[in-house]
Amino acid sequence: DIQMTQSPSSLSASVGDRVTITCRASQNISAYLNWYQQTPGKAPKLLIYAASSLHSGVPSRFTGSGSGTDFTLTISTMQPEDFATYYCQQSYSSPLTFGGGTKVEIK
Amino acid sequence: EVQLLESGGGLVQPGGSLRLSCAASGFAFSSYSMSWVRQAPGKGLEWISAITSGSATTYFADSVKGRFTISRDNSKNTLYLQMNSLRAEDTAVYFCAEHTSRWTWGYWGQGTLVTVSS
Repeated sequence: DIQMTQSPSSLSASVGDRVTITCRASQNISAYLNWYQQTPGKAPKLLIYAASSLHSGVPSRFTGSGSGTDFTLTISTMQPEDFATYYCQQSYSSPLTFGGGTKVEIK
Repeated sequence: EVQLLESGGGLVQPGGSLRLSCAASGFAFSSYSMSWVRQAPGKGLEWISAITSGSATTYFADSVKGRFTISRDNSKNTLYLQMNSLRAEDTAVYFCAEHTSRWTWGYWGQGTLVTVSS
């Protein structure tokens, strides 16, 4: 199985900050990497697919990059609605696996 | 508007069974693969099963293989998850999700809670 490791597991940020979350795969997954956002009590929402493509309706302040084993999600300017938990997920092969999540809290 | 509505969750004893349903609307359900993803209380996301659009192929995580069955009825736009031999560690919110593209879930239901406890 492909292991996905996210870092950090949590971070504190202020509105207006630039935030970067990293995700590492245990083997080469090319660009088969997605990012999701989840707020408490809600279903996850797709933000980025295929490592760098923005899902429909997602604000452009979210960007994804990387390929192979190392990936990054960047939020250019934190907005109040962006405080949430973020998960990476490999879409390379079954079983599909997620990173452990990064909780972004208000500083 | 795409809508996915799970139902069938509840409290069940260890060793018991439960069937979850996911009613889909707003898209061509029969054209898309579907998955179930769960989240234990306070924990991360875990993919557990998927089924292709025509039911030809199913996939399972090792944690549920042999105990859970996934199926769908395209005439009713409904996805199912039959859960047998339930364990305490199966306690979670279960989400159904639509495969917008390869193993990528663009739309999710709101989830249904399954609690396995005596």
